[in-house]
Amino acid sequence: DAGVTQSPTHLIKTRGQQVTLRCSPKSGHDTVSWYQQALGQGPQFIFQYYEEEERQRGNFPDRFSGHQFPNYSSELNVNALLLGDSALYLCASSGPAQGVETQYFGPGTRLLVL
Amino acid sequence: AQKVTQAQTEISVVEKEDVTLDCVYETRDTTYYLFWYKQPPSGELVFLIRRNSFDEQNEISGRYSWNFQKSTSSFNFTITASQVVDSAVYFCALIAGGTSYGKLTFGQGTILTVHP
Repeated sequence: DAGVTQSPTHLIKTRGQQVTLRCSPKSGHDTVSWYQQALGQGPQFIFQYYEEEERQRGNFPDRFSGHQFPNYSSELNVNALLLGDSALYLCASSGPAQGVETQYFGPGTRLLVL
Repeated sequence: AQKVTQAQTEISVVEKEDVTLDCVYETRDTTYYLFWYKQPPSGELVFLIRRNSFDEQNEISGRYSWNFQKSTSSFNFTITASQVVDSAVYFCALIAGGTSYGKLTFGQGTILTVHP
């Protein structure tokens, strides 16, 4: 049973560019959440997708957007990259939605913005 | 708003010592869920345990045990007879009811180093 997978594992971009990160949830899960973890900090919630819609959003600017596909996989897009966007981006999946489910995390994508 | 505080930034112990990681939480919701995750150097967060606000029963799983006390808003994690493989960053996290339905609020994490 495959766990949560994310791609790519590492990414280097320059300021102003755009990036797309991808996540495939654990089998049987229908909800995907994204988190940003800066170095030495705890993860910060970006948003959560369920039934292809953004269900909840954290305190992140509109430069951060996402999408969920019919197969429950998800993408995180970040536009106009800033140096401060350098972080580990974690995807978590949960479900099936029957209340508050435990979130299981993928290995993350390390993004470096130069 | 919810908040999780892990006051211990770093802990260093020698193998076979017992170690307790502290976690204090704040929420106005009466229904909430507490979690512990382990983050090894690879970066992936590994789920360890979940506790619901209406269940204060403590839990033991092998060398791991958790002490949940609503009276002090604490959810502490103890590793008995620590091993080098326990070295990692440990995060305590909270999901509260209402509008924070699916949002995990994490503490800053505690870096645990177990020396041989």
